[in-house]
Amino acid sequence: AQRVTQPEKLLSVFKGAPVELKCNYSYSGSPELFWYVQYSRQRLQLLLRHISRESIKGFTADLNKGETSFHLKKPFAQEEDSAMYYCALKVRQGAQKLVFGQGTRLTINP
Amino acid sequence: GAGVSQTPSNKVTEKGKYVELRCDPISGHTALYWYRQSLGQGPEFLIYFQGTGAADDSGLPNDRFFAVRPEGSVSTLKIQRTERGDSAVYLCASSLEGVAKDTQYFGPGTRLTVL
Repeated sequence: AQRVTQPEKLLSVFKGAPVELKCNYSYSGSPELFWYVQYSRQRLQLLLRHISRESIKGFTADLNKGETSFHLKKPFAQEEDSAMYYCALKVRQGAQKLVFGQGTRLTINP
Repeated sequence: GAGVSQTPSNKVTEKGKYVELRCDPISGHTALYWYRQSLGQGPEFLIYFQGTGAADDSGLPNDRFFAVRPEGSVSTLKIQRTERGDSAVYLCASSLEGVAKDTQYFGPGTRLTVL
């Protein structure tokens, strides 16, 4: 079975500090990994996906198949990054469902 | 253009009642998904439609839950004999084709409270 684990429910850092939100997954095949973000009073939206290998709003995430991780990183946090972040996995074939982690609430302190 | 919309935004019902939750996907999107998000948890998959047919309903928790998409656009999630444990935010998402490279776009959700 597929599973996504986000070990930190809450993460608080100061503005300008580096941020790393952890995500580990279990899946025997070749997964596709995503980070979704939900800002206050907004809907869930895609932040980035590993196959795009791009930086969005300064965030990057690298898929490490050896460690089965897909940690989200940003070198200098900004106050507007405060939000709920969800890591999600989708299998490459068959079902198109997303399997989500439980989420990490990131708070950036001024 | 308009995103995914869901109605109602909030629904309060009594235990044992029947409820219907509606989802309007982005125009032209053939794939539609329902998820349920309980307090403090990430969204959990319920069912996926490709066009009018349910391609994967493995996430429906029991036979009290049913969903339809008769014309391949609007979808309705139906819950019979509601229980307090059904209280959650029900999210709908749509994507263009339901293929691996698609992005799922989420609606604002319907918050269901069963008293």
